[in-house]
Amino acid sequence: AQSVTQPDIHITVSEGASLELRCNYSYGATPYLFWYVQSPGQGLQLLLKYFSGDTLVQGIKGFEAEFKRSQSSFNLRKPSVHWSDAAEYFCAVGAGRTGANNLFFGTGTRLTVIP
Amino acid sequence: DGGITQSPKYLFRKEGQNVTLSCEQNLNHDAMYWYRQDPGQGLRLIYYSQIVNDFQKGDIAEGYSVSREKKESFPLTVTSAQKNPTAFYLCASSRDPAAPGELFFGEGSRLTVL
Repeated sequence: AQSVTQPDIHITVSEGASLELRCNYSYGATPYLFWYVQSPGQGLQLLLKYFSGDTLVQGIKGFEAEFKRSQSSFNLRKPSVHWSDAAEYFCAVGAGRTGANNLFFGTGTRLTVIP
Repeated sequence: DGGITQSPKYLFRKEGQNVTLSCEQNLNHDAMYWYRQDPGQGLRLIYYSQIVNDFQKGDIAEGYSVSREKKESFPLTVTSAQKNPTAFYLCASSRDPAAPGELFFGEGSRLTVL
């Protein structure tokens, strides 16, 4: 069965600093990987996704993520954080083309941005 | 604008009462989902529906019920059998029922049991 681990519960960075949020997954085949962002009291918004091909994927709001099969990781990065990036970030793994009913979410990483 | 509308945003319930959370979408998506979110936990799937008049249990369906009489609507009832119903509930949809996970979410409904 697949699973997702986000080892950092809470990260604090200064505005303008770089950011990396970690995500490790467990899945036997090539996974479908996602990063979602959730502002307080809101629903989730898809930041980016990886299905196949280029292992470095670009998303919205200046985020990118790199799929590393050897490390079973899909870390999210941003070169310069803005105060509006403060939110909770969820990594998710999908078990192939079987629908979102087989989508597993990590427990999230809360990002605080210091002015 | 297309999207998913959840209502109410906040709901208080006395123990022993059933409550129904509304979810409406105008995205013309076939699949719809209900998730529960608790602090420090990821999203957990309650129910999903890939087509009108059909739905399936997710990982934590006990104490919940749903219906899918229209493509646009997927209401969730939290019954008195749900032992710990206080949570944030999220409705989502996807264009393709077989899509791996590109979900569109509503803004959520926060249920508090008094």
